[in-house]
Amino acid sequence: EAGVAQSPRYKIIEKRQSVAFWCNPISGHATLYWYQQILGQGPKLLIQFQNNGVVDDSQLPKDRFSAERLKGVDSTLKIQPAKLEDSAVYLCASSQNRNRGQSIQYFGAGTRLSVL
Amino acid sequence: AQSVTQLDSQVPVFEEAPVELRCNYSSSVSVYLFWYVQYPNQGLQLLLKYLSGSTLVKGINGFEAEFNKSQTSFHLRKPSVHISDTAEYFCAVSTPGGSYIPTFGRGTSLIVHP
Repeated sequence: EAGVAQSPRYKIIEKRQSVAFWCNPISGHATLYWYQQILGQGPKLLIQFQNNGVVDDSQLPKDRFSAERLKGVDSTLKIQPAKLEDSAVYLCASSQNRNRGQSIQYFGAGTRLSVL
Repeated sequence: AQSVTQLDSQVPVFEEAPVELRCNYSSSVSVYLFWYVQYPNQGLQLLLKYLSGSTLVKGINGFEAEFNKSQTSFHLRKPSVHISDTAEYFCAVSTPGGSYIPTFGRGTSLIVHP
């Protein structure tokens, strides 16, 4: 089965510019997650979707970050405007069902963002 | 709220030697525990998980971990490491109920020397 697809793999922008990341989860996976992984740290959840609805976005900086999953399949994460501290790897993950804590998350390779 | 502490940021070891990567967690309720591996420029891959039952969990690539409730630990072990095991290892915890959002530790860099 195909894994979680993310694009682009790398992105370099200047501060105050905008950027968007795309994620296509494993087919049939209802739950989609976006994580931010700053160098030297573990992934931090930004937002969790169940189908096309937001389950948890409590750690998403909503003044500059937005995410959508309009058709309940692929998803886009946007940053506008970007700050230097947004430099990180943005990971997308998917799982079959959030209502089962043992549901395994499958991760994409991530998008490495550098803000100059 | 749960939390995870990975006590070692970096663990150097020689090839074919045994290794233990330490993980302690904090939670007021029962937990699910996971170990993930991240190779350079790749996403995270699940090594093993503890949900319930036997406290000794075996995973892929010869790794195993033991859930110790009294010590709130979930240490990862391998009896003989290979160069290819060089990677970042993350311990994570989630709890039944709520939104099952896993909390990750800061990671331990395993460096295997020839």
